[in-house]
Amino acid sequence: GQQVMQIPQYQHVQEGEDFTTYCNSSTTLSNIQWYKQRPGGHPVFLIQLVKSGEVKKQKRLTFQFGEAKKNSSLHITATQTTDVGTYFCAGPPDSGYSTLTFGKGTMLLVSP
Amino acid sequence: GAGVSQTPSNKVTEKGKYVELRCDPISGHTALYWYRQSLGQGPEFLIYFQGTGAADDSGLPNDRFFAVRPEGSVSTLKIQRTERGDSAVYLCASSSGGRSPLHFGNGTRLTVT
Repeated sequence: GQQVMQIPQYQHVQEGEDFTTYCNSSTTLSNIQWYKQRPGGHPVFLIQLVKSGEVKKQKRLTFQFGEAKKNSSLHITATQTTDVGTYFCAGPPDSGYSTLTFGKGTMLLVSP
Repeated sequence: GAGVSQTPSNKVTEKGKYVELRCDPISGHTALYWYRQSLGQGPEFLIYFQGTGAADDSGLPNDRFFAVRPEGSVSTLKIQRTERGDSAVYLCASSSGGRSPLHFGNGTRLTVT
């Protein structure tokens, strides 16, 4: 079945440093979605990318969807303590299914 | 408006018992998903409903797990003969279907002793 892998599993940065997490799927995706889960909370939708090579920005967050629609990245510029949490990518296969397969996530810790 | 509501928020049960977990999705959302999440892991897909029917139940781990959504709104996840390995947070999510993003509830933390 479809597998979604994320690296790194964990990253600890100093406030103000940049952070990047990478997502790779074993199959072509129809779209990629990113979610953030704060400690003790539930996943919250951040953004969706649909087109090959698409780049979207949300303030300090930049999301990219690969040309082959099998990989994606999330880059945070100048991290803040409010960025702490686990970032998940998720995508349905490009086969008509709507089931979202999640990666294991990247846990981000930010020290002040 | 109201988000996805899950009850109970916590459930402790003994090995071998039967449990029911309830999910009340956002009003008007046709798609409903059940995931479970263990510590340090991503949400693991269990089952997806479109309306009243299970469009994809390929994630249910075995026949002890069953879910229903009889009127296309509230859903119940049922687990028979619970095992300690079933302990996890069970997340429900709903969406308006298609490529729409998922809105998650706060989850039910199930502990099997």
